[in-house]
Amino acid sequence: ILNVEQSPQSLHVQEGDSTNFTCSFPSSNFYALHWYRWETAKSPEALFVMTLNGDEKKKGRISATLNTKEGYSYLYIKGSQPEDSATYLCAPGGDSNYQLIWGAGTKLIIKP
Amino acid sequence: NAGVTQTPKFQVLKTGQSMTLQCAQDMNHNSMYWYRQDPGMGLRLIYYSASEGTTDKGEVPNGYNVSRLNKREFSLRLESAAPSQTSVYFCASSEYPALTEAFFGQGTRLTVV
Repeated sequence: ILNVEQSPQSLHVQEGDSTNFTCSFPSSNFYALHWYRWETAKSPEALFVMTLNGDEKKKGRISATLNTKEGYSYLYIKGSQPEDSATYLCAPGGDSNYQLIWGAGTKLIIKP
Repeated sequence: NAGVTQTPKFQVLKTGQSMTLQCAQDMNHNSMYWYRQDPGMGLRLIYYSASEGTTDKGEVPNGYNVSRLNKREFSLRLESAAPSQTSVYFCASSEYPALTEAFFGQGTRLTVV
């Protein structure tokens, strides 16, 4: 089973500032890397699914990069807004049954 | 535009009672999943069904059973609930495992006393 680490565990950011956080995973048997946004009292929603080394994806102010050779992905949020407050989950897919293994998440709190 | 519908939303059970969590998706997805989420931990896979007619154990299957009733529905059964099964349970579906995004139900908060 893959060991997925997300850092930091939590992060307080001033509104308007940009921020980023990391997902680390073993680079062997890699198929895909998912990022999800999980707001309190709701269910996780997909942001990105990335498969290729060097992939960069963007959705509005949020973007992500992927390095499969060294086993990490960064999620960037530009100009943080209060609605960005959520827990961000990453999940590489790499076990023998093509199942996702989930990190514990980075909890982002935007201070107005 | 229902997506993934999961019932019930809340449930309290006594130790030893049984119950079934229901999940249905209307996106014609091949794969369905049951996860549990505990504080400080990532989502952990209980069982999954890669396609209609198949089910497989995930990371934490003990104490649970599943049924893929048809392509739409995937149920999770607790035969004899234990306090260690107190958790939030999520059903999810995706077109294919790992390579396509997963869509989640609203979750079931289960307390076993």
